[in-house]
Amino acid sequence: DTEVTQTPKHLVMGMTNKKSLKCEQHMGHRAMYWYKQKAKKPPELMFVYSYEKLSINESVPSRFSPECPNSSLLNLHLHALQPEDSALYLCASSQEVGAGDTQYFGPGTRLTVL
Amino acid sequence: QKEVEQNSGPLSVPEGAIASLNCTYSDRGSQSFFWYRQYSGKSPELIMFIYSNGDKEDGRFTAQLNKASQYVSLLIRDSQPSDSATYLCAVKLSGGSARQLTFGSGTQLTVLP
Repeated sequence: DTEVTQTPKHLVMGMTNKKSLKCEQHMGHRAMYWYKQKAKKPPELMFVYSYEKLSINESVPSRFSPECPNSSLLNLHLHALQPEDSALYLCASSQEVGAGDTQYFGPGTRLTVL
Repeated sequence: QKEVEQNSGPLSVPEGAIASLNCTYSDRGSQSFFWYRQYSGKSPELIMFIYSNGDKEDGRFTAQLNKASQYVSLLIRDSQPSDSATYLCAVKLSGGSARQLTFGSGTQLTVLP
């Protein structure tokens, strides 16, 4: 089973709202990732968690706040977003660090900021 | 020079033909190479990974890796209209974190019935 789940599938929010994206995997993976993908572009890495600790933050604005409550869950808290933040937000997970570290993506959350 | 380059396409092939997708990378020390398929509006789906020089076959898909020439390719035999998608090449570059994938810009493939 290589399933990563994400909720919600779609989210529309105003610039003053606070919302959260959720990601879950039950594959025993110890690394989890958030990516942002704009139309016709490849995924851009935002954050990496390894063993529930934030290991990489790709200079993401503070209006995006990640959280890893346990090894199976990953959240992305959103606050005061801008219309240009509208995109497909992808969660991924992988088993371990190493050359053969294969990442599996969830279905994504389509975010629209009004 | 981009770290991972792909022809953006679009690439069109007739149904039943072989589709050939190519990817070059700049970091000679890269060790892991991945192909993802992404349908419009959906998330990337892993098709294949390859670590060693040569060919790796999985059903209608064959990945080819040539580290000396720094390219990796994906062949799709007996192409079907359902193969129409964007194909993303991803590389684990040796210079960056082991957890990071660097993606090419993707090649859009259309298989014509």
